[in-house]
Amino acid sequence: QVQLVQSGAEVKKPGASVKVSCKASGYSFTGYYIHWVRQAPGHGLERMGRINPNTGVSNYDERFQGSVTMTMDTSINTVYMELSRLTSDDTAVYYCARGAFTGSRAFDHWGQGTLVTVSS
Amino acid sequence: DIQMTQSPSTLSASVGDRVTITCRASQSINNWLAWYQQTPGKAPKLLIYKASSLESGVPSRFSGSGSGTEFTLTISSLQPDDFATYYCQQYNSFSFGQGTKVEIK
Repeated sequence: QVQLVQSGAEVKKPGASVKVSCKASGYSFTGYYIHWVRQAPGHGLERMGRINPNTGVSNYDERFQGSVTMTMDTSINTVYMELSRLTSDDTAVYYCARGAFTGSRAFDHWGQGTLVTVSS
Repeated sequence: DIQMTQSPSTLSASVGDRVTITCRASQSINNWLAWYQQTPGKAPKLLIYKASSLESGVPSRFSGSGSGTEFTLTISSLQPDDFATYYCQQYNSFSFGQGTKVEIK
Protein backbone atom coordinates (compact mmCIF):
# COMPACT_ATOMS: atom_id res chain seq x y z
CA GLN A 1 0.00 0.00 0.00
CA VAL A 2 1.06 3.59 -0.55
CA GLN A 3 2.98 4.98 2.42
CA LEU A 4 4.79 8.23 3.11
CA VAL A 5 6.88 8.02 6.27
CA GLN A 6 8.42 11.19 7.65
CA SER A 7 11.34 11.79 9.98
CA GLY A 8 10.87 12.58 13.65
CA ALA A 9 10.20 15.76 15.56
CA GLU A 10 12.85 18.48 15.66
CA VAL A 11 13.66 21.33 18.02
CA LYS A 12 15.71 24.16 16.55
CA LYS A 13 16.96 27.55 17.61
CA PRO A 14 16.03 30.72 15.73
CA GLY A 15 18.27 31.27 12.73
CA ALA A 16 19.04 27.57 12.30
CA SER A 17 17.92 25.25 9.49
CA VAL A 18 15.89 22.05 9.59
CA LYS A 19 15.72 19.19 7.10
CA VAL A 20 12.70 16.87 7.12
CA SER A 21 12.59 13.64 5.13
CA CYS A 22 9.69 11.80 3.51
CA LYS A 23 10.23 8.20 2.41
CA ALA A 24 7.80 6.82 -0.15
CA SER A 25 6.83 3.20 -0.68
CA GLY A 26 4.11 1.15 -2.36
CA TYR A 27 4.07 3.01 -5.68
CA SER A 28 6.32 4.28 -8.46
CA PHE A 29 8.32 7.02 -6.73
CA THR A 30 9.06 8.91 -9.96
CA GLY A 31 5.43 8.84 -11.08
CA TYR A 32 4.01 11.47 -8.69
CA TYR A 33 4.83 14.89 -7.30
CA ILE A 34 5.60 15.24 -3.62
CA HIS A 35 4.15 18.41 -2.11
CA TRP A 36 4.95 19.93 1.29
CA VAL A 37 2.24 21.48 3.45
CA ARG A 38 2.61 23.00 6.90
CA GLN A 39 0.19 23.68 9.72
CA ALA A 40 1.02 26.04 12.55
CA PRO A 41 -0.53 25.19 15.94
CA GLY A 42 -4.26 25.87 15.86
CA HIS A 43 -4.12 27.10 12.28
CA GLY A 44 -5.00 25.89 8.80
CA LEU A 45 -3.06 24.25 6.00
CA GLU A 46 -0.46 26.11 3.94
CA ARG A 47 1.21 24.62 0.88
CA MET A 48 4.91 25.35 0.54
CA GLY A 49 5.84 23.84 -2.82
CA ARG A 50 6.49 20.60 -4.66
CA ILE A 51 9.20 18.48 -6.24
CA ASN A 52 8.98 16.27 -9.30
CA PRO A 53 10.91 13.10 -8.40
CA ASN A 54 11.19 12.22 -12.09
CA THR A 55 13.15 15.35 -12.98
CA GLY A 56 14.25 16.81 -9.65
CA VAL A 57 12.60 20.12 -10.53
CA SER A 58 11.10 22.00 -7.58
CA ASN A 59 8.53 24.80 -7.49
CA TYR A 60 8.10 26.90 -4.39
CA ASP A 61 5.19 29.07 -3.33
CA GLU A 62 6.11 32.76 -3.33
CA ARG A 63 6.03 33.07 0.44
CA PHE A 64 8.74 30.42 0.79
CA GLN A 65 11.01 31.44 -2.07
CA GLY A 66 14.52 31.83 -0.73
CA SER A 67 13.91 29.95 2.50
CA VAL A 68 12.90 26.43 1.40
CA THR A 69 14.79 23.84 -0.63
CA MET A 70 13.30 20.53 -1.75
CA THR A 71 15.59 17.72 -2.87
CA MET A 72 15.38 13.99 -3.39
CA ASP A 73 17.34 10.75 -3.40
CA THR A 74 15.79 8.35 -5.89
CA SER A 75 18.01 5.48 -4.69
CA ILE A 76 16.06 5.40 -1.43
CA ASN A 77 12.74 6.87 -2.63
CA THR A 78 13.10 9.82 -0.30
CA VAL A 79 12.30 13.50 -0.62
CA TYR A 80 13.73 16.19 1.66
CA MET A 81 12.46 19.63 2.65
CA GLU A 82 14.97 22.02 4.16
CA LEU A 83 13.83 25.28 5.73
CA SER A 84 16.45 27.84 6.62
CA ARG A 85 16.65 30.98 8.78
CA LEU A 86 14.03 29.62 11.13
CA THR A 87 11.89 31.92 13.28
CA SER A 88 9.22 31.15 15.85
CA ASP A 89 6.65 31.58 13.06
CA ASP A 90 8.03 28.40 11.47
CA THR A 91 6.89 26.30 14.43
CA ALA A 92 4.45 23.92 12.77
CA VAL A 93 3.69 20.38 11.72
CA TYR A 94 5.14 19.74 8.28
CA TYR A 95 3.46 17.20 6.00
CA CYS A 96 4.52 15.66 2.73
CA ALA A 97 1.73 14.62 0.37
CA ARG A 98 1.55 12.80 -2.96
CA GLY A 99 0.00 14.44 -5.98
CA ALA A 100 -0.53 13.07 -9.48
CA PHE A 101 1.21 14.76 -12.41
CA THR A 102 -2.21 15.29 -13.96
CA GLY A 103 -3.38 16.86 -10.70
CA SER A 104 -6.63 15.00 -11.02
CA ARG A 105 -6.87 13.58 -7.50
CA ALA A 106 -5.21 16.41 -5.57
CA PHE A 107 -3.24 15.12 -2.55
CA ASP A 108 -4.33 11.53 -2.15
CA HIS A 109 -1.80 10.26 0.38
CA TRP A 110 -0.10 12.12 3.23
CA GLY A 111 2.79 11.51 5.57
CA GLN A 112 2.14 11.39 9.30
CA GLY A 113 3.58 14.85 9.85
CA THR A 114 6.76 16.15 11.50
CA LEU A 115 6.58 18.69 14.32
CA VAL A 116 9.25 21.37 14.06
CA THR A 117 9.57 23.58 17.12
CA VAL A 118 11.63 26.77 16.91
CA SER A 119 12.57 28.05 20.33
CA SER A 120 15.51 29.77 21.96
CA ASP B 1 -3.17 34.12 -6.03
CA ILE B 2 -6.50 32.34 -5.80
CA GLN B 3 -8.15 32.86 -2.40
CA MET B 4 -10.43 30.20 -0.97
CA THR B 5 -13.10 31.18 1.58
CA GLN B 6 -15.05 28.62 3.56
CA SER B 7 -18.25 29.13 5.51
CA PRO B 8 -19.11 28.69 8.23
CA SER B 9 -15.89 28.61 10.26
CA THR B 10 -17.58 26.50 12.92
CA LEU B 11 -20.70 24.41 12.70
CA SER B 12 -22.53 22.75 15.60
CA ALA B 13 -24.55 19.69 14.68
CA SER B 14 -25.95 16.45 16.03
CA VAL B 15 -25.53 12.85 14.92
CA GLY B 16 -27.93 12.24 12.02
CA ASP B 17 -28.01 15.87 10.87
CA ARG B 18 -27.48 16.88 7.25
CA VAL B 19 -24.50 19.22 7.08
CA THR B 20 -23.41 21.53 4.28
CA ILE B 21 -20.12 23.45 4.04
CA THR B 22 -19.51 26.08 1.36
CA CYS B 23 -16.24 27.01 -0.31
CA ARG B 24 -15.85 30.02 -2.61
CA ALA B 25 -12.91 30.74 -4.91
CA SER B 26 -11.79 34.27 -5.77
CA GLN B 27 -11.75 33.31 -9.45
CA SER B 28 -12.97 30.39 -11.52
CA ILE B 29 -11.20 27.12 -10.87
CA ASN B 30 -13.48 25.01 -13.11
CA ASN B 31 -13.89 21.82 -11.05
CA TRP B 32 -10.34 21.63 -9.66
CA LEU B 33 -11.51 21.45 -6.07
CA ALA B 34 -10.80 18.91 -3.34
CA TRP B 35 -12.18 18.40 0.16
CA TYR B 36 -10.21 16.98 3.09
CA GLN B 37 -11.12 15.86 6.59
CA GLN B 38 -8.71 16.33 9.48
CA THR B 39 -9.04 15.06 13.03
CA PRO B 40 -6.80 16.33 15.85
CA GLY B 41 -3.22 15.08 15.64
CA LYS B 42 -3.75 13.41 12.27
CA ALA B 43 -2.88 14.22 8.68
CA PRO B 44 -5.65 15.42 6.39
CA LYS B 45 -7.56 12.74 4.50
CA LEU B 46 -8.83 13.22 0.94
CA LEU B 47 -12.62 12.89 0.71
CA ILE B 48 -13.61 14.45 -2.63
CA TYR B 49 -11.61 15.40 -5.73
CA LYS B 50 -12.54 17.21 -8.93
CA ALA B 51 -15.40 18.82 -6.98
CA SER B 52 -17.67 15.77 -6.93
CA SER B 53 -15.65 12.55 -7.24
CA LEU B 54 -15.66 10.42 -4.11
CA GLU B 55 -12.25 9.10 -3.10
CA SER B 56 -12.06 5.31 -2.83
CA GLY B 57 -13.07 4.05 0.61
CA VAL B 58 -14.87 7.23 1.64
CA PRO B 59 -18.46 6.65 2.83
CA SER B 60 -21.20 7.60 0.40
CA ARG B 61 -22.78 10.00 2.91
CA PHE B 62 -20.11 12.47 1.77
CA SER B 63 -20.79 14.30 -1.50
CA GLY B 64 -19.44 17.32 -3.29
CA SER B 65 -20.90 19.66 -5.87
CA GLY B 66 -20.24 22.91 -7.67
CA SER B 67 -18.06 24.39 -10.38
CA GLY B 68 -16.51 27.71 -11.25
CA THR B 69 -16.29 29.63 -7.98
CA GLU B 70 -18.82 28.05 -5.62
CA PHE B 71 -18.66 24.57 -4.15
CA THR B 72 -20.32 22.58 -1.38
CA LEU B 73 -19.49 19.56 0.71
CA THR B 74 -22.52 17.74 2.10
CA ILE B 75 -22.65 15.06 4.77
CA SER B 76 -26.07 13.47 4.43
CA SER B 77 -26.30 11.99 7.93
CA LEU B 78 -23.59 13.04 10.36
CA GLN B 79 -21.86 10.17 12.16
CA PRO B 80 -19.69 10.29 15.32
CA ASP B 81 -16.47 9.88 13.26
CA ASP B 82 -17.40 12.94 11.19
CA PHE B 83 -16.76 15.49 13.95
CA ALA B 84 -13.60 17.00 12.50
CA THR B 85 -12.25 19.99 10.58
CA TYR B 86 -12.87 20.14 6.84
CA TYR B 87 -10.74 21.98 4.30
CA CYS B 88 -11.31 22.78 0.67
CA GLN B 89 -8.36 23.14 -1.71
CA GLN B 90 -8.11 24.45 -5.25
CA TYR B 91 -5.52 22.70 -7.28
CA ASN B 92 -4.52 25.24 -9.81
CA SER B 93 -2.09 26.73 -7.29
CA PHE B 94 -3.05 24.46 -4.36
CA SER B 95 -4.22 27.01 -1.78
CA PHE B 96 -6.56 25.86 1.00
CA GLY B 97 -9.62 27.35 2.62
CA GLN B 98 -9.31 28.31 6.28
CA GLY B 99 -11.22 25.27 7.48
CA THR B 100 -14.64 24.48 8.95
CA LYS B 101 -14.81 22.78 12.33
CA VAL B 102 -17.81 20.51 12.76
CA GLU B 103 -18.48 20.11 16.46
CA ILE B 104 -21.03 18.33 18.59
CA LYS B 105 -24.13 20.36 19.37
